[in-house]
Amino acid sequence: QQQVKQSPQSLIVQKGGISIINCAYENTAFDYFPWYQQFPGKGPALLIAIRPDVSEKKEGRFTISFNKSAKQFSLHIMDSQPGDSATYFCAAGGGSGNKLVFGAGTILRVKS
Amino acid sequence: KAGVTQTPRYLIKTRGQQVTLSCSPISGHRSVSWYQQTPGQGLQFLFEYFSETQRNKGNFPGRFSGRQFSNSRSEMNVSTLELGDSALYLCASSLGTGYGELFFGEGSRLTVL
Repeated sequence: QQQVKQSPQSLIVQKGGISIINCAYENTAFDYFPWYQQFPGKGPALLIAIRPDVSEKKEGRFTISFNKSAKQFSLHIMDSQPGDSATYFCAAGGGSGNKLVFGAGTILRVKS
Repeated sequence: KAGVTQTPRYLIKTRGQQVTLSCSPISGHRSVSWYQQTPGQGLQFLFEYFSETQRNKGNFPGRFSGRQFSNSRSEMNVSTLELGDSALYLCASSLGTGYGELFFGEGSRLTVL
């Protein structure tokens, strides 16, 4: 019940295209859903986060779509750029504290 | 503002030894969390400390322990190292303990031979 399932495992997108990464969770106690971006040799960095009281959140080229009834959420990267090539992790948290359950990660490559 | 600092960045140990990793959070941050990152298991939560108290603990054996000092700096210790402990150990700091942004360090890469 603590798992967060992320797909696809890897993704290749043309420059200017839309990258879409999906995540699904089971634990209905989760109420915080962040996405992290990680470059090689670096720690993960928060990209964007959403709480279940909204269905969509947009920050620049990055959008989270959230479907509470389906227990799914996704990251859309519009106008993908080679600099977006990184590993992306979805995560979920709930209750007190900063414990996050992470998805397995998606390796995104944007071809120029 | 300095980021999260983890030391050492790289270390090699042999089975049976123990290791201590250090994390200095961003100035003013009182929460420190530790995560283990491996290719097979991904990012897994180890524990969280806030104001020198352990707030949460992940599903790891007792060989994994941690503590936080009054200046918010944190250490984690792994005793009786096993080959499977080889991983990137990431520290993250946050202002508080209620889903503010987690700022990760670059990690300590441990190799157990």
